[in-house]
Amino acid sequence: DGGITQSPKYLFRKEGQNVTLSCEQNLNHDAMYWYRQDPGQGLRLIYYSQIVNDFQKGDIAEGYSVSREKKESFPLTVTSAQKNPTAFYLCASSMDSLNTEAFFGQGTRLTVV
Amino acid sequence: GENVEQHPSTLSVQEGDSAVIKCTYSDSASNYFPWYKQELGKRPQLIIDIRSNVGEKKDQRIAVTLNKTAKHFSLHITETQPEDSAVYFCAAARVGGYNKLIFGAGTRLAVHP
Repeated sequence: DGGITQSPKYLFRKEGQNVTLSCEQNLNHDAMYWYRQDPGQGLRLIYYSQIVNDFQKGDIAEGYSVSREKKESFPLTVTSAQKNPTAFYLCASSMDSLNTEAFFGQGTRLTVV
Repeated sequence: GENVEQHPSTLSVQEGDSAVIKCTYSDSASNYFPWYKQELGKRPQLIIDIRSNVGEKKDQRIAVTLNKTAKHFSLHITETQPEDSAVYFCAAARVGGYNKLIFGAGTRLAVHP
């Protein structure tokens, strides 16, 4: 469904621990994105990557890190430096810089306990 | 940085009425404006988009208008149906180069039978 898969769907972590969210796509898309969704705040951009081995900070990158070693994968690490990590995280991809329709994964709900 | 403002945050209409959602953007170089629909518990999906070289685009019951001078664009839904109930997000991007999709905060539309 959509060719972009996030796992797991629900994730619990203890305060102070790092956690990595997976995002994989088989659409052969160049660009990939991570968004955070909080109630009433829409989708805020964390990181984005236009090509392999390159990525850029979005508006709320502090406390997060990413890698783009393979075209199909764009994992997001939520570090202990992120003050309010409990949120719904959405990964998206688009074909390239000229074809910007974004296809979203089903999301990962992260809860810090 | 780039910013997209969206209004209203909630919208309630009777079935058959029209619904209008408005967005303004800050980056005058933005040239791509998509609208996404997110049903409860599901991922956002593109419903219509418009590029800066046109002022209006229509697809059955939905239409989008763009005023580049004023830097605002709107989504119009006519003859609303209960299945139109969802959260709608507008977004803006500068296609080409390091384009990134910036979203508005969303509008929760409720269509009452």
